[in-house]
Amino acid sequence: GQSLEQPSEVTAVEGAIVQINCTYQTSGFYGLSWYQQHDGGAPTFLSYNALDGLEETGRFSSFLSRSDSYGYLLLQELQMKDSASYFCAVRDASNGNKLVFGAGTILRVKS
Amino acid sequence: NAGVMQNPRHLVRRRGQEARLRCSPMKGHSHVYWYRQLPEEGLKFMVYLQKENIIDESGMPKERFSAEFPKEGPSILRIQQVVRGDSAAYFCASSPRDSSNYGYTFGSGTRLTVV
Repeated sequence: GQSLEQPSEVTAVEGAIVQINCTYQTSGFYGLSWYQQHDGGAPTFLSYNALDGLEETGRFSSFLSRSDSYGYLLLQELQMKDSASYFCAVRDASNGNKLVFGAGTILRVKS
Repeated sequence: NAGVMQNPRHLVRRRGQEARLRCSPMKGHSHVYWYRQLPEEGLKFMVYLQKENIIDESGMPKERFSAEFPKEGPSILRIQQVVRGDSAAYFCASSPRDSSNYGYTFGSGTRLTVV
């Protein structure tokens, strides 16, 4: 099966940089994704990494190290609207290719 | 291009009743996934369907729960004889194909409350 670990909560101030880590265990790794969810609303897709390295999309970047089974989401120039839950998720080719989510990290941005 | 449409947004059922949750995927998307989320928890996979086929139902409880995605119409998640423990948010997602680099598009969810 798969398991993912991420911190339950992170707090940061407006304008700062925050990193949300995710470690995973799967038997057939296929890629690491990140999703954002505001107040129980629809989760929205942020990024996907299949290969090692950093992917940048505006203020958000995502990093993957396959050898370490580790990735992170980096949020820069934090804004109040970034307060949300952030989920890492893996596709496991050995288990039907479905997306398996971590328990989520609640990010609280303070002014 | 409408996103993933789920209805109803909120559903209240008494114990023992049936709940039917509907999901229309994005136009052009042929893969549908259902997830359940309890408060302050992650999304738990339930079932993955393509038109007229259940691809993976490993996350579905063995009893009372069923899902379908007919040739015409929305995907339906059906919960028979609901119990209080079924109270949760149920999210549907769709993707254009079974490919890792396509993110899922989620609907706004159905919040089921069993009283």
